[in-house]
Order: sequence, then C-alpha cells, then structure tokens
Amino acid sequence: EIVLTQSPATLSLSPGERATLSCGASQSVSSSYLAWYQQKPGLAPRLLIYDASSRATGIPDRFSGSGSGTDFTLTISRLEPEDFAVYYCQQYGSSPGTFGQGTKLEIK
Amino acid sequence: EVQLVESGGGLVQPGGSLRLSCAASGFTFSSYWMHWVRQAPGKGLVWVSRINSDGSSTSYADSVKGRFTISRDNAKNTLYLQMNSLRAEDTAVYYCARDPSQNYYDSSGYSDYWGQGTLVTVSS
Repeated sequence: EIVLTQSPATLSLSPGERATLSCGASQSVSSSYLAWYQQKPGLAPRLLIYDASSRATGIPDRFSGSGSGTDFTLTISRLEPEDFAVYYCQQYGSSPGTFGQGTKLEIK
Repeated sequence: EVQLVESGGGLVQPGGSLRLSCAASGFTFSSYWMHWVRQAPGKGLVWVSRINSDGSSTSYADSVKGRFTISRDNAKNTLYLQMNSLRAEDTAVYYCARDPSQNYYDSSGYSDYWGQGTLVTVSS
C-alpha cells in the first residue's frame, strides 16, 4: 500500500499569511488521484480538493492543489481565521486508498 | 441538501458485535458508491470498506476483512456496517461517506460528503 507522509506536522502562521502543506507518497500516485480534506475538532472531514488540483463544490479559491507523481501541495493563499484546522491528504489511485497522518495548521 | 446520519455506536466488550447504520437523504442514494472510514481518538483517518450502488461489489481493509460486513438497503436509503469479533484497536469514530462516482463498475475512491460520525468503544 502507498504510504503518504505529510509535512510539516504542525504549521504555525498568522491570518493573512500564505500556507503551504506538503504530501509525499512512497510510490507514484496514478493519474494524480489525490484529495485534500479539512477537519475541525469534533467535526467530520470536508473535501477541499480532488484529482490533485480540482476544487470541490463551494470551496473558496484561496485553496489550491498542485503536484503529480509522488509530491503534492495544498496552498492556502491568504489565511482566514476559519482555516485553522487539521488537513489530510488521501490517495485513491491504488487500492486500498490511504490517508496521510495530517498537518495541524495553528494560529501563531 | 446531502445528509448522512450515523447511528449504532456505543460501548462493547472485546469479541462482541455491533451494527452501525447510516441514513442518507438529499440525493439518489441508490446511484452512489459509499464508504466507511474510521478515526481512532486523536489519530488520523483510515479507510475501512466500500460498497457499490446495488451492493453487489464490496471491499475491505485488511485489518477488518473477515470480521466486518458492509451492506445497504436502497429501499430504506441506509448503509450498514456489521462489526463482529471486535478488538480494542477497533475503537474509533466511524464515518459513512459518499463517493461521488455514479459509475456502476468503479468508485472514484474519495468522499465528497461525510456524516458526523458515531463512536465505537471496545473495552472490558
């Protein structure tokens, strides 16, 4: 199975700053089948990005995804207070689909 | 509005059984693949199982294969997870989640809508 490693584990930034979150795969993710989710405490995950760079319905355009092969990035161009949460990547190009361990984005 | 509401969680002893339900509304349930994903306390997300639109195709994570069974009742718009031979390491919040695929033969693999989750605790 493909192992996803997210970095950093914790990212401390201020509102208005740019956030760059990384997701590295142990093997190439076929067809860039990679998703990003946001999860706030006590709530279910929320789909942000699928197919590496396609924004899900209703997601603001400050969220963008990029990458291919084994290296993927989620960028939040200008942080809003509601963006501070845990972010997970998921690959679904190979079965079983696997998730990264998460990056906690916290207020500095 | 798409809604997924899980129920059936609770405290169970090791070796016991539990059946989770997920009531779906706001979309044509019978057209979509569905998943179960779990999250142990303070940990990350782990895919558990998936089922196709008519229930004829299922798959499982190795960690639950032979112990868990996913099923659905399209007449009742409900997804199920029967969990047998439960272990302490099965303790988690269990989420049902919709796969955006309406392709009978293949799921997309990711989830566009999630329920709020139900907590399963396996302990003596």
